[in-house]
Amino acid sequence: QVQLQESGPGLVKPSETLSLTCTVSGGSISSDYWGWIRQPAGKGLEWIGRIYISGSTRYNPSLDSRVTMSMDTSRNQFSLKMTSVTAADTALYYCVRYSGSYYDYWGRGTLVTVSS
Amino acid sequence: QSVLTQPPSVSGAPGQRVTISCTGSSSNIGSDFDVHWYQQLPGAAPTLLIYDNNTRPSGVPDRFSGSKSGTSASLAITGLQATDEADYYCQSYDSSLGGSVFGGGTQLTVL
Repeated sequence: QVQLQESGPGLVKPSETLSLTCTVSGGSISSDYWGWIRQPAGKGLEWIGRIYISGSTRYNPSLDSRVTMSMDTSRNQFSLKMTSVTAADTALYYCVRYSGSYYDYWGRGTLVTVSS
Repeated sequence: QSVLTQPPSVSGAPGQRVTISCTGSSSNIGSDFDVHWYQQLPGAAPTLLIYDNNTRPSGVPDRFSGSKSGTSASLAITGLQATDEADYYCQSYDSSLGGSVFGGGTQLTVL
């Protein structure tokens, strides 16, 4: 059973960089696509982007200029970096496995608050 | 403003049937991209409920079913139970965006 666990700072200052890591167990990140989805409190889901082992990435155009995803196969982890954050980036961030069409495994989510 | 449109809320009595609609456009559902549904119980992460329009993952009761037609899709839940109270989200692919799109979510209340 694939399990995902997000980790990273829960508080980030405005204009700084948000960095999150997802550790995958029960499966190898060297197959499949992996990604990030976020959910502001009381609101819906927003796709952030996805990455494949080849290094191929695709980001939400609304976030594209600020987002970078990477993978570390030696640690079976993948990561998200988002620059120049504002209060609008405050949300619950989920790491997910992407089948190529749908999201079949989700982490529990990690809350990131942007505040000085 | 979500790319896919869902009703904010639906409700039904135990044992009844409810449906949740998901309306898209020619760049997503209307382009024959598959629709998937997720259930988010209170305080929990979303879980995959229906994939590829009408397929249930292992463990999902057959009370849940999905359908798609034209630029819309629907999730039907029969034999409503109190444990079905949750938020439900539809998801598809959008060719204009070049990635996944979600509905705004529908809160199901079991009366």
